[in-house]
Amino acid sequence: GQQLNQSPQSMFIQEGEDVSMNCTSSSIFNTWLWYKQDPGEGPVLLIALYKAGELTSNGRLTAQFGITRKDSFLNISASIPSDVGIYFCAGQSGGSQGNLIFGKGTKLSVKP
Amino acid sequence: NAGVTQTPKFQVLKTGQSMTLQCAQDMNHEYMSWYRQDPGMGLRLIHYSVGAGITDQGEVPNGYNVSRSTTEDFPLRLLSAAPSQTSVYFCASKPGGADYGYTFGSGTRLTVV
Repeated sequence: GQQLNQSPQSMFIQEGEDVSMNCTSSSIFNTWLWYKQDPGEGPVLLIALYKAGELTSNGRLTAQFGITRKDSFLNISASIPSDVGIYFCAGQSGGSQGNLIFGKGTKLSVKP
Repeated sequence: NAGVTQTPKFQVLKTGQSMTLQCAQDMNHEYMSWYRQDPGMGLRLIHYSVGAGITDQGEVPNGYNVSRSTTEDFPLRLLSAAPSQTSVYFCASKPGGADYGYTFGSGTRLTVV
């Protein structure tokens, strides 16, 4: 089946640093989404991307839908302690009834 | 507006027992899905529904049943629990159409001993 390769698996950064993570796939996706999961909670949608090449921001978060439609990245600028959590990418391809394929997550830790 | 509500939050089962994980949404969403989350595995789709009366299998459906008799509710049934079903289960819903922003519940942590 389809798989998403998300990297890095984990990151330990200093407060104030910028963060970058990405997802790649061997398959084409029509939609890329980025979710954040806090401990003991369900994932929360951060950014949705619908067009190849699209660059979208949400506060300190910026995400891009790759031109080839096989990759996406998420950047977080000036990290703060509440950015701690697991970030998941998810892709949706045509004909899949709207179902999402998830990456395995990037665990972000921020040192104050 | 409660969003997606899952019950119970925690459950311990013995091998062979059956149980139903409840999921309800109050947003009139057409699509509902069940995922399981295991360490290092991300979220994997168990079953999904694109509307009342319509369900289909996802990536890991074995050992689970679903039904969708109303728009609001999408229960997940474990027929005969096995230790391999120890996991965190998430229910999610979204509107039909091009909006792919799934809203997730807060999860049910299930342990099978």
